[in-house]
Amino acid sequence: KAGVTQTPRYLIKTRGQQVTLSCSPISGHRSVSWYQQTPGQGLQFLFEYFSETQRNKGNFPGRFSGRQFSNSRSEMNVSTLELGDSALYLCASRINANEKLFFGSGTQLSVL
Amino acid sequence: GEDVEQSLFLSVREGDSSVINCTYTDSSSTYLYWYKQEPGAGLQLLTYIFSNMDMKQDQRLTVLLNKKDKHLSLRIADTQTGDSAIYFCAETPSDDYKLSFGAGTTVTVRA
Repeated sequence: KAGVTQTPRYLIKTRGQQVTLSCSPISGHRSVSWYQQTPGQGLQFLFEYFSETQRNKGNFPGRFSGRQFSNSRSEMNVSTLELGDSALYLCASRINANEKLFFGSGTQLSVL
Repeated sequence: GEDVEQSLFLSVREGDSSVINCTYTDSSSTYLYWYKQEPGAGLQLLTYIFSNMDMKQDQRLTVLLNKKDKHLSLRIADTQTGDSAIYFCAETPSDDYKLSFGAGTTVTVRA
């Protein structure tokens, strides 16, 4: 069974641009979560989607948004990029709430 | 990860046992996890334990859970150079579905 797949692996953007990250969950997993990892703040929860609905949201500004499609694939969008958005963005999936969470390899975003 | 606490660094000799400790906050957490992150990689689910268990063993890994003290530990037997990584403890608080992570313990295995 394939794991969680994230694309692209690396991204370089400049301030003010926007970016879209993609995540394909493990087959059969209906829940997709996104986390931001930075050296200073560690792992911070962004949001979770289940059956195309946002079920939970972390404490991030509205520039961070996401969505989930009917095939459970998810995208995360960050608009008006700031230098502080440079981070490793990790996607994770699970069958349902309160089940084990499996992570992808992440997208490393650098904002210049 | 401010609610889950871990020591930041651990240095261990190859072949010795490593013990990584974690203190969590929510006694109602259903699952408690250990994740491993190697340089440039995502998080690998190493092992987990249900909150109604005291101990779980999986090959070289032993997880101990002390619910009274909200203390979780991961023991790695016969530590190898491939065990060098950052290890994260995580809990799922009862009122939330997201995972709360510790800051991570960097384990360095020396020859």
